[in-house]
Amino acid sequence: AQSVTQPDIHITVSEGASLELRCNYSYGATPYLFWYVQSPGQGLQLLLKYFSGDTLVQGIKGFEAEFKRSQSSFNLRKPSVHWSDAAEYFCAVGADHTDKLIFGTGTRLQVFP
Amino acid sequence: DARVTQTPRDKVTEMGQEVTMRCQPILGHNTVFWYRQTMMQGLELLAYFRNRAPLDDSGMPKDRFSAEMPDATLATLKIQPSEPRDSAVYFCASGSAETQYFGPGTRLLVL
Repeated sequence: AQSVTQPDIHITVSEGASLELRCNYSYGATPYLFWYVQSPGQGLQLLLKYFSGDTLVQGIKGFEAEFKRSQSSFNLRKPSVHWSDAAEYFCAVGADHTDKLIFGTGTRLQVFP
Repeated sequence: DARVTQTPRDKVTEMGQEVTMRCQPILGHNTVFWYRQTMMQGLELLAYFRNRAPLDDSGMPKDRFSAEMPDATLATLKIQPSEPRDSAVYFCASGSAETQYFGPGTRLLVL
């Protein structure tokens, strides 16, 4: 069965610093992979997704993610974090032959000025 | 700017009462999802529909929860009777596996 692991529950960075949020998945074939962001009191918003092709995908708000099959990873990156990026970030994998998504437990990002 | 809407945004009720949450999916989206988010369990899929037909409700406690789509513009999630352990944020989303658009959620507190 598919699963997603986000090993970091909470990350704190300074504004302007680079960011990498980790995501590992378990899936037999090439997965559909997603990153969503949730601001306080809001629903989830899609940042980016990977289905096939170029393993480096660009998303909204200056985020990017790289699919590494050998490491079963899909880490999210941003070169320079803004205070408005403080939120919770969820990695997700698409379940076999369905529209279902399996979400990780999330990483809460805190940004210090 | 099309978006998923949910009502009510907040609901406080007493144990044993019926709770109904409503969702209006984005026009043209034929797949609708219901999720529940808690601190302990994270984000869980309760049920989802395609073309108004339930495809999977395996995540939903069958004895007290029910989900329906009376028409293409309305999805409902009902809890009867409600219990304190149902306290959570309930999200509706519409779209497909490629992209799901989430509503703002209904924050439910059962006392």
